[in-house]
Amino acid sequence: ELKVEQNPLFLSMQEGKNYTIYCNYSTTSDRLYWYRQDPGKSLESLFVLLSNGAVKQEGRLMASLDTKARLSTLHITAAVHDLSATYFCAVDQLRTDKLIFGTGTRLQVFP
Amino acid sequence: DTAVSQTPKYLVTQMGNDKSIKCEQNLGHDTMYWYKQDSKKFLKIMFSYNNKELIINETVPNRFSPKSPDKAHLNLHINSLELGDSAVYFCASSSQGTDTQYFGPGTRLTVL
Repeated sequence: ELKVEQNPLFLSMQEGKNYTIYCNYSTTSDRLYWYRQDPGKSLESLFVLLSNGAVKQEGRLMASLDTKARLSTLHITAAVHDLSATYFCAVDQLRTDKLIFGTGTRLQVFP
Repeated sequence: DTAVSQTPKYLVTQMGNDKSIKCEQNLGHDTMYWYKQDSKKFLKIMFSYNNKELIINETVPNRFSPKSPDKAHLNLHINSLELGDSAVYFCASSSQGTDTQYFGPGTRLTVL
């Protein structure tokens, strides 16, 4: 059964700093998604990664996928307070549209 | 111009009651889903429907019954509610075989 793990679970970082969130998954997949969730809100799609070596960037966030290592990273550059949220990765199990979500990383950016 | 909508947003009820949550999408998608997010924020898929046909049916108590009257709607009916059913339930939709699943605003269910 596909398992998806994220680390860290909680990340407190200062504005202006860089950091990376890691998403590991246990079985072969080439479709990985990153979502953002603000407290009490819905999930907002950030990135869709559909092949090995895929890299996508939006503002201060950059996501990449290494299907051989079964690893995706979400890199945060020069963090700002507005990035404070919980970030989830999700893996599509065998292209079934069945998303298996990671545990989430709660990011808190402070001045 | 809401894409995926759910009603109600909040639902507070007693154990043993039966309740329904409704979901509608106006994105023209052919696949809809129900997810459950527990108190630890863990998200787990429950069901998915494609063109009114049940595709994914996870290990969910049979007290939970999804119904899709048409491909734009997917409702969730829950019988004999239990304390452990308290959670946030999210509806989502996508076009089959393509990428992003779009999530609704969620329904926070509290069972007393």
